[in-house]
Amino acid sequence: DGGITQSPKYLFRKEGQNVTLSCEQNLNHDAMYWYRQDPGQGLRLIYYSQIVNDFQKGDIAEGYSVSREKKESFPLTVTSAQKNPTAFYLCASSTRGEVAKNIQYFGAGTRLSVL
Amino acid sequence: GEDVEQSLFLSVREGDSSVINCTYTDSSSTYLYWYKQEPGAGLQLLTYIFSNMDMKQDQRLTVLLNKKDKHLSLRIADTQTGDSAIYFCAESIGGNTPLVFGKGTRLSVIA
Repeated sequence: DGGITQSPKYLFRKEGQNVTLSCEQNLNHDAMYWYRQDPGQGLRLIYYSQIVNDFQKGDIAEGYSVSREKKESFPLTVTSAQKNPTAFYLCASSTRGEVAKNIQYFGAGTRLSVL
Repeated sequence: GEDVEQSLFLSVREGDSSVINCTYTDSSSTYLYWYKQEPGAGLQLLTYIFSNMDMKQDQRLTVLLNKKDKHLSLRIADTQTGDSAIYFCAESIGGNTPLVFGKGTRLSVIA
């Protein structure tokens, strides 16, 4: 089945540790996105990538890093510089064009907690 | 600038209609969307409307767009307990640009 797979579903981070959240899509979409969701805050954009080997910062990029070496993969690293990483992280993808209507498709999310 | 506003909570009785409202500020928006999020899950696209349309109906869902007032609404007819979720309004200016989301409206359906 085509879709977006995020792993792991739950992740725990120790103080000072970097952790990486995986996002893989087999929809052949060009663009991929990372959002952070906190209760009552809605979705806030962390990073996005419109094409392989290129990405842009979103509204809350500090303390996070990404790479886009392959079209189907867009991993997010939460670094030790992110002092409040506890949140629900959502990955999405989209493709351009009139038919596609810029619809974003979402993964099931990763819940990150601090130990 | 871009901003999308929604009320945070709505409570309705099972069988009644629910109306969730949204206002947006970017007049260059090309598509507007409604997404649904169930507890602990990702977002699921419910429906979308192109900015040159006034209304779109899809089974129990009706979307109304007032472009002059930049107001979007989602009506759910015959609301069921399975409709309890958070509903997000979002806007797009097209291409592969990020969507701008509202903070979400939590719909509670009372049996």
